[in-house]
Amino acid sequence: DAKTTQPPSMDCAEGRAANLPCNHSTISGNEYVYWYRQIHSQGPQYIIHGLKNNETNEMASLIITEDRKSSTLILPHATLRDTAVYYCIAFSGGSNYKLTFGKGTLLTVNP
Amino acid sequence: DVKVTQSSRYLVKRTGEKVFLECVQDMDHENMFWYRQDPGLGLRLIYFSYDVKMKEKGDIPEGYSVSREKKERFSLILESASTNQTSMYLCASSPRVREQYFGPGTRLTVT
Repeated sequence: DAKTTQPPSMDCAEGRAANLPCNHSTISGNEYVYWYRQIHSQGPQYIIHGLKNNETNEMASLIITEDRKSSTLILPHATLRDTAVYYCIAFSGGSNYKLTFGKGTLLTVNP
Repeated sequence: DVKVTQSSRYLVKRTGEKVFLECVQDMDHENMFWYRQDPGLGLRLIYFSYDVKMKEKGDIPEGYSVSREKKERFSLILESASTNQTSMYLCASSPRVREQYFGPGTRLTVT
C-alpha cells in the first residue's frame, strides 16, 4: 500500500470546518483512500473512503485531487467530540487484508 | 449501525494464565480480525478469519491462537500470558476486505 503523509497535529474551532490533508503521491490505480479516526482509549472508527470521485456521508466529505496524489477530509461543523487522531490510508484490499495506521493527525477541536 | 462488542474493556491477568478475549459482531460479516495496538508501534495484525473455522496468521501470531466456531464470534486466546502481551487488543469485522469496523478494545495488563 502507498505511503501516506499527514501533519502531526491541527487545531480547529468548534463549529468551524476542519480540513485534514493527506499526501499519497505514490498511490496506485487500484488503491482506495480510507480515513479512520481514533478517539482516546477507544477503537478506531471508519469514516469514509473513495477512489477518485469526491465522496460524502453523514460524518464527513472526502475530496481527492484529480491526480489522486492528495486528499482532504472535511468535517463540516467540528464539535468537541471530533477531537481524535485521524488516519489516512491508501488501501487496495484484495489479498492485502491488514490495515496499517501511520502516526495520523491529532485534531484538537477547541471551544 | 454495525456493532462489534468485546467481552471486557479492562482485564488484569497473571503471568502464565490462559486468557480468552471474545469478540462478537452483529452484521453477518465474513471477515473478522484481531489487532494489538501499542504506543509507537501502531496497529499490528495478530490473526484474521475470512469464514467460520478458517483463520490466517497476521504479522505477530506467536503466543496467540484463535477460534471461530460461529460466524458472529471470533475469540483470541493467549495460551500462557506473558508481560510482553500487555497491550490494547482490538477486534474488527468487515463485510469485505475494505472498511473494517472496530470494537471498543480490551486493555489487557499481565502482571
